[in-house]
Formats: sequence, C-alpha cells, structure tokens
Amino acid sequence: EPEVTQTPSHQVTQMGQEVILRCVPISNHLYFYWYRQILGQKVEFLVSFYNNEISEKSEIFDDQFSVERPDGSNFTLKIRSTKLEDSAMYFCASSVPGAGNTQYFGPGTRLTVL
Amino acid sequence: GQNIDQPTEMTATEGAIVQINCTYQTSGFNGLFWYQQHAGEAPTFLSYNVLDGLEEKGRFSSFLSRSKGYSYLLLKELQMKDSASYLCAVRDEGTYKYIFGTGTRLKVLA
Repeated sequence: EPEVTQTPSHQVTQMGQEVILRCVPISNHLYFYWYRQILGQKVEFLVSFYNNEISEKSEIFDDQFSVERPDGSNFTLKIRSTKLEDSAMYFCASSVPGAGNTQYFGPGTRLTVL
Repeated sequence: GQNIDQPTEMTATEGAIVQINCTYQTSGFNGLFWYQQHAGEAPTFLSYNVLDGLEEKGRFSSFLSRSKGYSYLLLKELQMKDSASYLCAVRDEGTYKYIFGTGTRLKVLA
C-alpha cells in the first residue's frame, strides 16, 4: 500500500540554524500539508500546498517557514532560523480531491532544537 | 472560534466495547475524521463522516450528528493493540486543513 515517507526521522539542531525536513507524498496525491505536534499537545496545521503554491497557512507559519516542491516527488519544509519552541514532531500529509479529501500522514520527523 | 472537545483519557477491558465522544464548534463543517495515533507514531486514518448517521468499518464505527456538533467512535472487541490516542479532526468548509482535538488516550487492560 502506498504511503507517505519522511526524512530524517530525527533531527537535532542548534538554535538559529536552518533545517529542511523532507517528505515524499503518495504519488497520485495532489494536495500536500505540514502539521506539527509539540510533545503532549494536539496536532496543529501549518500549511497546505496545491498546484505549486501555498493554498492556506496558519498563524504559526510565519516568515521563518517556507515550503517547496523542488521536483515531481519531494515536498520540503524549511525553517530558516530555528527557535527552541520549534522543537516538535513534524508530520507531512497528502490527499486527493474527493472522498472527503482524507489526509494520509507520514511517520514524522522529530525536530529537537538545542 | 474553533473548538473540538474529547475526553483526555479512557480505560477499558480487553474484549469490551468503548465509545469515545467528540463535540465540535467550528465556523464551518465539511467532514469529521477519526485517526488512531500510537505514541511516537503518525496518525492513521480510521473513519470519515460527512452526513449524519453511522459508518461501520469492521470493529470500528463512527457516528455523526451535525445538528448537535457531535460524533463518537465506537470500538468493539477491544484488543491490547487498540491502546493508543484517538484523534477527532474536523475539516472546515472551504478549506482543506484539519482542526484536531487534543485526542483521547485509551488504555486497554487485560
């Protein structure tokens, strides 16, 4: 069964450094998303992406964040200058139109900012 | 505002039935989703309701009442592996993003 994959599974970085989290969505999916989950808290929407542009973003997704689909398969989230409070699990998800637009989540990248 | 409420924790016995409730107040509605999340893992899709009524999928069923802003997830014949968090998420109208509840941590005891 096709699945969303993410790399790396765990990223440790120093405050102020840039990180890029990578995702390979399910191949026939057209909508892509990033969510984050701070330890012990709820899953929070960051951004959705369709047709090579951002379709929605939350208040969390400020100028420090950017997304890109550099080729036909990858979808990346860049955090330009990480802060301690960016430490969280970051989930990528993808979906197709129809059937409720059910989103399928990747296994996540645990980002630890020191 | 957007608000989704679920109980924080529930405990049930192996082989039993458990019902996890979710109430929501959102500015719009375009579907309610239930996900299972084991600790440290990704949310896994369980069910989707957009019309009132019951959707059944094996041991799992989900119910929706749009007029009451209410849903429940019913798990039958509980197994130890069902110990996990169960997340209720609502898709707002005119958007593709999900708004998640805080999740219900279910412990299944032998």
